[in-house]
Amino acid sequence: EDQVTQSPEALRLQEGESSSLNCSYTVSGLRGLFWYRQDPGKGPEFLFTLYSAGEEKEKERLKATLTKKESFLHITAPKPEDSATYLCAVQAGGYQKVTFGTGTKLQVIP
Amino acid sequence: DTAVSQTPKYLVTQMGNDKSIKCEQNLGHDTMYWYKQDSKKFLKIMFSYNNKELIINETVPNRFSPKSPDKAHLNLHINSLELGDSAVYFCASSQTEDTQYFGPGTRLTVL
Repeated sequence: EDQVTQSPEALRLQEGESSSLNCSYTVSGLRGLFWYRQDPGKGPEFLFTLYSAGEEKEKERLKATLTKKESFLHITAPKPEDSATYLCAVQAGGYQKVTFGTGTKLQVIP
Repeated sequence: DTAVSQTPKYLVTQMGNDKSIKCEQNLGHDTMYWYKQDSKKFLKIMFSYNNKELIINETVPNRFSPKSPDKAHLNLHINSLELGDSAVYFCASSQTEDTQYFGPGTRLTVL
């Protein structure tokens, strides 16, 4: 069965203090790894899709990377508005089911 | 324009009642999903429909019945509600196996 483990569960950063969130996964034939952002009381908002090891994608202060066993979401010089729960999910090839991790709750202090 | 919409936003009901949640997407996607997010924020897929055909049916009590009248709509009907059904239910859509886009959620509280 596909498994996704995210760490840490919670992360508190000072504004401007860069860090990384980890997503370790086990899947039979990865088709895609997804990163989402979820704000309180809202649905997950799509950030990135990564398809193969070595791939990287960037959006503003966020950069996602992928290896054969894990993905990192790097946050450079975060701002308070980056505070949210970040969810990682994987999709096995040829199957539409997506398995989510339990998320990392990020708090950025001004 | 809202891409994926759900109604109602909040639903408070008594144990044993039957309720429905509606979902609509205007993205032209072929596939729609229902997820349940528990109090620990874990998102778990319940059902998926592709062009009105059920393709994913996880281990969900048969009190839960999805219905897709057309590929833009996926409704969730729940019979004989139980306390453990309290959660946030999210609808999502995607173009075949591509990225999923989520609705705002329906917070169900069973008393």
